Amino acid sequence: QVQLQESGPGLVKPSQTLSLTCVVSGGSIRSGNYHWNWVRQSPGKGLEWLGCISYSETIYYNPSLKSRITILVDTSKNQFSLRLDSVTAADTAVYYCARDGVDWGQGTLVTVSS
Amino acid sequence: DIQMTQSPPSLSASVGDRVTITCRASQGINNALAWYQQKPGKAPKLLIYRASTLQSGVPSRFSGSGSGTDFTLTINSLQPEDVATYYCQKYNSVPFTFGPGTRVDF
Repeated sequence: QVQLQESGPGLVKPSQTLSLTCVVSGGSIRSGNYHWNWVRQSPGKGLEWLGCISYSETIYYNPSLKSRITILVDTSKNQFSLRLDSVTAADTAVYYCARDGVDWGQGTLVTVSS
Repeated sequence: DIQMTQSPPSLSASVGDRVTITCRASQGINNALAWYQQKPGKAPKLLIYRASTLQSGVPSRFSGSGSGTDFTLTINSLQPEDVATYYCQKYNSVPFTFGPGTRVDF
């Protein structure tokens, strides 16, 4: 079973960029027909799918995030990343990375505040 | 975009009850639907995929059905450890939208 671990700053100032990394262990990010996802959950709210990168390195984004989101993969480090620009308080959430819907990271809380 | 709704938003049940949660898509999604269980402070756990296929290791009291626009998650003989919020998610096309969730408690 693969393990995923999110990492990144827990506090980001408004208008700045949120950057998170998901390190994958116990399996290669290049193997299998998987989608590597980012999902977030605002405090007390439901789950929101942000985007994913497929096994063929095709990237899909939630249109609601428009041009603010970037997902990249670094196969040499077996990790993928999330970048969210121009953040506001509404981007405060627990951010999860996941392999398809099967394997999930523990989540990391990112607070947007000055 | 296809919208996902769930009903009810919350429910209270007793140990041993049969619980049914409904998920509806605003357009047909074939059987590209998953169900998740999430407990407070934890990541979601996949229960069902392809609308009715039980994920490995998930107790058989959980079952899913449906196709097209209407789907159901059933928990037969509710157990104390089933207290959680349940989400459906479509994955036929981007965005892979989640339903708003159904909270199950006693």
